[in-house]
Amino acid sequence: DAMVIQNPRYQVTQFGKPVTLSCSQTLNHNVMYWYQQKSSQAPKLLFHYYDKDFNNEADTPDNFQSRRPNTSFCFLDIRSPGLGDAAMYLCATSSGQGPSYEQYFGPGTRLTVT
Amino acid sequence: GQNIDQPTEMTATEGAIVQINCTYQTSGFNGLFWYQQHAGEAPTFLSYNVLDGLEEKGRFSSFLSRSKGYSYLLLKELQMKDSASYLCAVFDSNYQLIWGAGTKLIIKP
Repeated sequence: DAMVIQNPRYQVTQFGKPVTLSCSQTLNHNVMYWYQQKSSQAPKLLFHYYDKDFNNEADTPDNFQSRRPNTSFCFLDIRSPGLGDAAMYLCATSSGQGPSYEQYFGPGTRLTVT
Repeated sequence: GQNIDQPTEMTATEGAIVQINCTYQTSGFNGLFWYQQHAGEAPTFLSYNVLDGLEEKGRFSSFLSRSKGYSYLLLKELQMKDSASYLCAVFDSNYQLIWGAGTKLIIKP
């Protein structure tokens, strides 16, 4: 089945130790998104790519970086995780950019910072 | 500023009907989504409304009134598996998707 895959599902890292979260998709969608979601809060968009065009949300901290080496893969790098970065990180894709294109989400990676 | 308002939590009984409301104040409007999110899992798409009126899809229906900045999600014949959070999200005039914090729905036997 075509899908969005995130690895790992659970990640524990130490305060200040760089960590990379990965996302892959078999849907061949042009657009990929990274969201941060904390408990009982709305998902917060960090970045999105339209093909290779990178779009950084204005309030995304510099501590967060992203890479999309090809259509299928996208990575979220957190350079120096703080306790406040503990959250669920959701990857999503859509076939186009605009209101009629629903987003397909991966299962998420729950990040714990110790 | 942009804002999506939903009740934080609702409780309903198995087999009953529940309506989850969403009001929005955004810079423009290009459509509204409802997503379901089970605890610890990713959101899954439920419905999309861009025109006023009711969209029915099985046990779930979604209604939109653009003039009132208002939508609701109606769930009929509630099942225990419907216990989840329901997120409302609006595309604004810049094609940014603005998310609500979600309504946690608790179903009791």
